[in-house]
Amino acid sequence: AQSVTQLDSHVSVSEGTPVLLRCNYSSSYSPSLFWYVQHPNKGLQLLLKYTSAATLVKGINGFEAEFKKSETSFHLTKPSAHMSDAAEYFCVVSDQRDYGQNFVFGPGTRLSVLP
Amino acid sequence: AAGVIQSPRHLIKEKRETATLKCYPIPRHDTVYWYQQGPGQDPQFLISFYEKMQSDKGSIPDRFSAQQFSDYHSELNMSSLELGDSALYFCASSLGTSGDTQYFGPGTRLTVL
Repeated sequence: AQSVTQLDSHVSVSEGTPVLLRCNYSSSYSPSLFWYVQHPNKGLQLLLKYTSAATLVKGINGFEAEFKKSETSFHLTKPSAHMSDAAEYFCVVSDQRDYGQNFVFGPGTRLSVLP
Repeated sequence: AAGVIQSPRHLIKEKRETATLKCYPIPRHDTVYWYQQGPGQDPQFLISFYEKMQSDKGSIPDRFSAQQFSDYHSELNMSSLELGDSALYFCASSLGTSGDTQYFGPGTRLTVL
């Protein structure tokens, strides 16, 4: 069975400082891993994904994540936070097994960006 | 680029009523997923369809049913609505390949009074 842990329910950073959102996963198979962002009262937007290619994945809006199999982690980072980055971030795991494989979401991390 | 379309965007129902949510996947996508997101919670997988057949089932209540039609759009039918069904319902679509990216629609916010 798959599972996702996001170690921080809330992260607060100052504008212009680095962002680190942590994610650890559990999967019986070779996982695909994703980060989605959800702004208030909005849908889910894909930031980036890992599907067994390069372990360092670059996404939109300056975000990137590194897949570390030994640590079963897929932490999301950004060098410099912007006010518009304030949102809820979900780490998602999906096993590369079957068609129509559902996603398993982490509980989410709310990112606040202070001026 | 075309995205996933969901309708309606907002829906208000009374307890014990029925509701139908519709999802139109990205063109050429053959897999549709439904998720329920309660207030302050992460999305929970309900059910998915691949090529018009149910492919996976999650925490979908027996009061709910869904299907995928020949044009790949999907409908989530909800009966005997309860207050606890108030949530944001997301539909996502993909090309159906294992582990492929799911693209989410804007969601339907259902409020049950």
